[in-house]
Amino acid sequence: AQSVAQPEDQVNVAEGNPLTVKCTYSVSGNPYLFWYVQYPNRGLQFLLKYITGDNLVKGSYGFEAEFNKSQTSFHLKKPSALVSDSALYFCAVRDRGGDKIIFGKGTRLHILP
Amino acid sequence: DSGVTQTPKHLITATGQRVTLRCSPRSGDLSVYWYQQSLDQGLQFLIQYYNGEERAKGNILERFSAQQFPDLHSELNLSSLELGDSALYFCASSGKTGTYNEQFFGPGTRLTVL
Repeated sequence: AQSVAQPEDQVNVAEGNPLTVKCTYSVSGNPYLFWYVQYPNRGLQFLLKYITGDNLVKGSYGFEAEFNKSQTSFHLKKPSALVSDSALYFCAVRDRGGDKIIFGKGTRLHILP
Repeated sequence: DSGVTQTPKHLITATGQRVTLRCSPRSGDLSVYWYQQSLDQGLQFLIQYYNGEERAKGNILERFSAQQFPDLHSELNLSSLELGDSALYFCASSGKTGTYNEQFFGPGTRLTVL
Protein backbone atom coordinates (compact mmCIF):
# COMPACT_ATOMS: atom_id res chain seq x y z
CA ALA A 1 0.00 0.00 0.00
CA GLN A 2 1.08 3.56 -0.63
CA SER A 3 2.24 5.62 2.31
CA VAL A 4 4.02 8.87 3.00
CA ALA A 5 5.89 9.82 6.16
CA GLN A 6 6.85 13.29 7.28
CA PRO A 7 8.83 12.54 10.42
CA GLU A 8 8.86 16.09 11.80
CA ASP A 9 5.73 17.78 13.06
CA GLN A 10 7.54 21.12 13.16
CA VAL A 11 10.77 22.56 11.82
CA ASN A 12 12.26 25.83 13.07
CA VAL A 13 14.81 27.68 10.96
CA ALA A 14 16.35 31.12 11.28
CA GLU A 15 15.72 33.51 8.42
CA GLY A 16 18.47 33.33 5.84
CA ASN A 17 19.49 29.78 6.78
CA PRO A 18 18.91 26.79 4.53
CA LEU A 19 15.85 24.69 5.28
CA THR A 20 14.96 21.04 4.77
CA VAL A 21 11.57 19.41 5.26
CA LYS A 22 11.78 15.63 5.17
CA CYS A 23 9.56 13.15 3.36
CA THR A 24 9.86 9.42 2.80
CA TYR A 25 7.46 7.29 0.82
CA SER A 26 6.44 3.74 0.08
CA VAL A 27 4.82 2.65 -3.18
CA SER A 28 4.77 -0.55 -5.17
CA GLY A 29 6.27 0.94 -8.32
CA ASN A 30 7.85 4.19 -9.43
CA PRO A 31 6.13 7.13 -7.84
CA TYR A 32 4.94 10.54 -8.76
CA LEU A 33 5.89 12.80 -5.83
CA PHE A 34 4.52 16.20 -4.91
CA TRP A 35 4.99 18.99 -2.41
CA TYR A 36 2.19 21.35 -1.44
CA VAL A 37 2.09 24.33 0.91
CA GLN A 38 -0.83 25.53 2.99
CA TYR A 39 -0.99 29.04 4.41
CA PRO A 40 -3.42 29.81 7.27
CA ASN A 41 -7.07 29.61 6.28
CA ARG A 42 -6.19 28.71 2.69
CA GLY A 43 -6.30 25.63 0.51
CA LEU A 44 -3.19 23.74 -0.46
CA GLN A 45 -1.01 25.18 -3.20
CA PHE A 46 1.17 23.09 -5.49
CA LEU A 47 4.92 23.71 -5.12
CA LEU A 48 6.68 21.11 -7.24
CA LYS A 49 6.60 17.54 -8.46
CA TYR A 50 8.89 14.71 -9.48
CA ILE A 51 7.90 12.70 -12.52
CA THR A 52 11.09 11.28 -13.96
CA GLY A 53 14.57 12.34 -14.98
CA ASP A 54 16.70 14.76 -12.98
CA ASN A 55 16.58 13.93 -9.29
CA LEU A 56 16.66 17.62 -8.33
CA VAL A 57 13.36 19.31 -9.02
CA LYS A 58 12.89 23.06 -8.88
CA GLY A 59 9.57 24.63 -7.98
CA SER A 60 7.80 27.78 -6.90
CA TYR A 61 9.12 30.40 -4.48
CA GLY A 62 12.72 29.16 -4.72
CA PHE A 63 11.95 25.70 -3.35
CA GLU A 64 13.52 22.53 -4.68
CA ALA A 65 13.32 18.87 -3.79
CA GLU A 66 15.68 15.97 -4.19
CA PHE A 67 14.40 12.56 -5.20
CA ASN A 68 16.45 9.70 -3.76
CA LYS A 69 15.24 6.33 -4.97
CA SER A 70 17.54 4.22 -2.78
CA GLN A 71 16.39 6.03 0.35
CA THR A 72 12.81 6.44 -0.91
CA SER A 73 12.95 10.07 0.07
CA PHE A 74 11.83 13.36 -1.44
CA HIS A 75 13.06 16.10 0.88
CA LEU A 76 12.04 19.70 0.30
CA LYS A 77 14.81 22.29 0.45
CA LYS A 78 15.47 25.98 0.10
CA PRO A 79 18.90 27.60 0.26
CA SER A 80 17.83 30.70 2.19
CA ALA A 81 14.62 30.77 4.24
CA LEU A 82 12.24 33.73 4.38
CA VAL A 83 9.81 34.55 7.18
CA SER A 84 7.05 34.34 4.57
CA ASP A 85 7.91 30.65 4.04
CA SER A 86 6.29 29.90 7.40
CA ALA A 87 3.41 27.55 6.60
CA LEU A 88 2.27 23.93 6.66
CA TYR A 89 3.97 21.71 4.08
CA PHE A 90 2.59 18.45 2.72
CA CYS A 91 4.37 15.74 0.81
CA ALA A 92 2.21 13.50 -1.40
CA VAL A 93 2.70 10.38 -3.52
CA ARG A 94 0.76 8.80 -6.34
CA ASP A 95 1.45 5.37 -7.76
CA ARG A 96 1.95 5.52 -11.54
CA GLY A 97 -1.25 4.51 -13.26
CA GLY A 98 -3.20 4.78 -10.04
CA ASP A 99 -5.74 7.35 -9.07
CA LYS A 100 -5.31 7.74 -5.36
CA ILE A 101 -2.92 10.36 -4.06
CA ILE A 102 -1.75 9.98 -0.47
CA PHE A 103 -0.69 12.97 1.62
CA GLY A 104 1.67 13.01 4.56
CA LYS A 105 0.44 14.46 7.83
CA GLY A 106 2.20 17.75 7.20
CA THR A 107 5.17 19.59 8.67
CA ARG A 108 4.77 23.04 10.14
CA LEU A 109 7.68 25.26 9.14
CA HIS A 110 8.53 28.25 11.35
CA ILE A 111 11.03 30.75 10.01
CA LEU A 112 12.36 32.87 12.84
CA PRO A 113 13.27 36.50 12.09
CA ASP B 1 -6.63 31.86 -7.06
CA SER B 2 -6.63 28.17 -8.02
CA GLY B 3 -9.77 28.36 -10.15
CA VAL B 4 -11.54 25.85 -7.89
CA THR B 5 -14.54 27.24 -6.03
CA GLN B 6 -16.26 25.85 -2.98
CA THR B 7 -19.47 26.89 -1.27
CA PRO B 8 -20.32 27.65 1.39
CA LYS B 9 -17.20 28.98 3.06
CA HIS B 10 -18.53 28.30 6.55
CA LEU B 11 -21.28 26.01 7.77
CA ILE B 12 -22.57 25.65 11.31
CA THR B 13 -25.10 22.97 12.06
CA ALA B 14 -26.26 20.59 14.76
CA THR B 15 -25.64 16.92 15.40
CA GLY B 16 -27.88 14.62 13.42
CA GLN B 17 -28.34 17.07 10.57
CA ARG B 18 -27.44 16.73 6.91
CA VAL B 19 -25.42 19.19 4.83
CA THR B 20 -24.26 19.49 1.24
CA LEU B 21 -20.94 20.97 0.21
CA ARG B 22 -20.44 22.11 -3.35
CA CYS B 23 -17.36 22.28 -5.53
CA SER B 24 -16.75 23.61 -9.02
CA PRO B 25 -13.49 22.41 -10.57
CA ARG B 26 -11.13 24.42 -12.73
CA SER B 27 -12.31 24.88 -16.26
CA GLY B 28 -11.43 21.76 -18.24
CA ASP B 29 -10.54 19.57 -15.26
CA LEU B 30 -12.37 16.25 -15.23
CA SER B 31 -11.22 14.92 -11.85
CA VAL B 32 -12.59 16.09 -8.53
CA TYR B 33 -11.21 14.98 -5.17
CA TRP B 34 -12.64 15.51 -1.71
CA TYR B 35 -10.51 15.74 1.44
CA GLN B 36 -11.21 16.20 5.10
CA GLN B 37 -8.69 18.12 7.21
CA SER B 38 -8.87 17.99 10.98
CA LEU B 39 -6.31 18.75 13.65
CA ASP B 40 -5.96 15.18 14.87
CA GLN B 41 -6.31 13.29 11.55
CA GLY B 42 -4.43 15.55 9.16
CA LEU B 43 -5.49 15.60 5.52
CA GLN B 44 -7.61 12.57 4.70
CA PHE B 45 -8.57 11.60 1.16
CA LEU B 46 -12.27 10.85 0.96
CA ILE B 47 -13.24 10.16 -2.63
CA GLN B 48 -12.43 10.94 -6.27
CA TYR B 49 -14.69 11.36 -9.27
CA TYR B 50 -13.59 11.44 -12.87
CA ASN B 51 -15.95 12.70 -15.55
CA GLY B 52 -18.98 11.76 -13.52
CA GLU B 53 -17.87 8.36 -12.28
CA GLU B 54 -16.44 7.34 -8.94
CA ARG B 55 -12.77 6.53 -9.44
CA ALA B 56 -11.16 6.03 -6.05
CA LYS B 57 -12.34 5.79 -2.50
CA GLY B 58 -10.46 6.65 0.63
CA ASN B 59 -11.49 6.94 4.25
CA ILE B 60 -15.04 8.00 3.54
CA LEU B 61 -17.69 7.12 6.09
CA GLU B 62 -20.91 5.44 5.02
CA ARG B 63 -22.78 8.54 6.27
CA PHE B 64 -20.97 10.54 3.60
CA SER B 65 -21.64 10.40 -0.12
CA ALA B 66 -20.62 12.36 -3.17
CA GLN B 67 -21.46 12.75 -6.80
CA GLN B 68 -20.21 14.58 -9.86
CA PHE B 69 -22.73 16.08 -12.22
CA PRO B 70 -22.65 16.36 -16.03
CA ASP B 71 -21.37 19.94 -15.78
CA LEU B 72 -18.50 18.45 -13.67
CA HIS B 73 -19.34 20.21 -10.44
CA SER B 74 -19.41 17.95 -7.42
CA GLU B 75 -21.32 17.75 -4.18
CA LEU B 76 -20.34 16.08 -0.93
CA ASN B 77 -23.26 15.08 1.26
CA LEU B 78 -22.71 14.56 4.95
CA SER B 79 -25.56 13.09 6.98
CA SER B 80 -26.30 12.14 10.59
CA LEU B 81 -23.60 14.59 11.54
CA GLU B 82 -21.52 14.03 14.64
CA LEU B 83 -19.32 16.39 16.61
CA GLY B 84 -16.25 14.63 15.18
CA ASP B 85 -17.25 15.60 11.66
CA SER B 86 -16.26 19.19 12.39
CA ALA B 87 -13.38 19.87 10.03
CA LEU B 88 -12.22 21.68 6.94
CA TYR B 89 -13.42 20.00 3.77
CA PHE B 90 -11.40 20.63 0.64
CA CYS B 91 -12.18 19.95 -2.94
CA ALA B 92 -9.40 19.65 -5.51
CA SER B 93 -9.41 19.18 -9.25
CA SER B 94 -6.95 17.97 -11.81
CA GLY B 95 -6.83 16.99 -15.45
CA LYS B 96 -6.63 13.51 -16.90
CA THR B 97 -6.70 10.84 -14.23
CA GLY B 98 -3.87 8.40 -13.54
CA THR B 99 -1.22 10.88 -14.59
CA TYR B 100 1.28 13.13 -12.93
CA ASN B 101 -1.00 16.14 -13.00
CA GLU B 102 -0.95 18.11 -9.79
CA GLN B 103 -4.15 18.97 -7.98
CA PHE B 104 -5.58 22.44 -7.55
CA PHE B 105 -7.32 23.00 -4.25
CA GLY B 106 -10.30 25.14 -3.44
CA PRO B 107 -10.40 27.42 -0.39
CA GLY B 108 -12.32 24.86 1.65
CA THR B 109 -15.56 24.71 3.62
CA ARG B 110 -15.26 24.91 7.37
CA LEU B 111 -17.92 22.72 8.95
CA THR B 112 -18.76 23.15 12.61
CA VAL B 113 -21.11 20.63 14.18
CA LEU B 114 -22.57 21.74 17.52
